[in-house]
Amino acid sequence: AVLTQEPSLTVSPGGTVTFTCGSNAGPVTEALRPYWLQHRPGHAPRTLFYRTSDRHPWTPARFSASILGDKAALTLSGALPEDEAVYYCLMSLPTDQTFGGGTMLTVL
Amino acid sequence: EVEIMESGGDVVRPGTSLRLSCGAVGFRLSDDWVRWVRHVPGKGLERLASINNDGSVTSYGEEVEGRVVVSTDIVKNEVFLQLVNLRREDTGLYYCVGGDWYRHWGHGTRVTVSA
Repeated sequence: AVLTQEPSLTVSPGGTVTFTCGSNAGPVTEALRPYWLQHRPGHAPRTLFYRTSDRHPWTPARFSASILGDKAALTLSGALPEDEAVYYCLMSLPTDQTFGGGTMLTVL
Repeated sequence: EVEIMESGGDVVRPGTSLRLSCGAVGFRLSDDWVRWVRHVPGKGLERLASINNDGSVTSYGEEVEGRVVVSTDIVKNEVFLQLVNLRREDTGLYYCVGGDWYRHWGHGTRVTVSA
């Protein structure tokens, strides 16, 4: 199975942007336990959300996650320059735990 | 404070093998699943292997299955990834991830496969 994300998105400082993650195996549901991860240049990745919308203690409040339609979604409200990063989804698909291809976010 | 440390990355020739190590400070790797994930420039993140808390269950990513083996030394609080028959496309930064829900990431160890 393949997880599809937008290759790139751009948001203005203070703006709102939504990332999505779809599966060619069918609708994304909570049963797939979607994760969202942030990977900033020169840093290790960090996990922002797991089980669709559960956040780790370090996840900034300006991020939220959900299921939108048949995709997993990550929303950033009030973008900051330090949010520039690649954002990955990860899901527990029947055959493997699979990462999406990642979305490069530019804050400009 | 929790820290994960990977080691063992190197510059190697195609067809050779490498063993990566993962250690932790501040928590027990055996408290939960441990995963190995790599970042390949231009390709993104890829899960390579997972091992459960006592080492009795392992699973492997489809792209590397048959060429990697994950193991653990619970007493030493370490997890290992044996890579065999390395290819140029295995070049990347290899991360160890511990704790529940992909909680703790190391800073990675670099593997370069080049003739």
